[in-house]
Amino acid sequence: ETGVTQTPRHLVMGMTNKKSLKCEQHLGHNAMYWYKQSAKKPLELMFVYSLEERVENNSVPSRFSPECPNSSHLFLHLHTLQPEDSALYLCASSQDGPWGGEQFFGPGTRLTVL
Amino acid sequence: TQLLEQSPQFLSIQEGENLTVYCNSSSVFSSLQWYRQEPGEGPVLLVTVVTGGEVKKLKRLTFQFGDARKDSSLHITAAQPGDTGLYLCNEKLTFGTGTRLTIIP
Repeated sequence: ETGVTQTPRHLVMGMTNKKSLKCEQHLGHNAMYWYKQSAKKPLELMFVYSLEERVENNSVPSRFSPECPNSSHLFLHLHTLQPEDSALYLCASSQDGPWGGEQFFGPGTRLTVL
Repeated sequence: TQLLEQSPQFLSIQEGENLTVYCNSSSVFSSLQWYRQEPGEGPVLLVTVVTGGEVKKLKRLTFQFGDARKDSSLHITAAQPGDTGLYLCNEKLTFGTGTRLTIIP
């Protein structure tokens, strides 16, 4: 595997389910990100991790819970979501920290909440 | 919070035509990046501009950074169907509102 991978690519869940999105970067980067992409907002930052520490939480509801166990892996745990949470969730990584430089994106997980 | 406004929001033109899309900010950019996102993929970096007045070319794409570093433009010459996608400007962790471009063969 190369670049940034995300699994699953598609996910359908009910409002009472608990699921997790997984992101893995094979680039040796030290910062990782979760973004939400929807028709309303093209690309909305959710969380930023730098050297496995969360450095940004962009007023995201607590039903979204990120986890960064090491510099290569990032998870987004989902529980009791709402239909308006349906969107494309993109993971990205970058070298040299989160405050500039090129971000490398995964292909995203298309989430549908019923 | 900095707001990056892009225009137009949607653009659909015939293959071979020229086009320009814009990115404007409420404050000065330290630097600006342009990304393109194709269907089913994540955004991919096209260019980074840093200096006011800077012009960068990438084949048929010309990127310009405003003198005051509060705006930027992307000009595409002789558009091809492969140029179809969502174009996003970006500064650090803020992305613009996007321009969705469709090139009709």
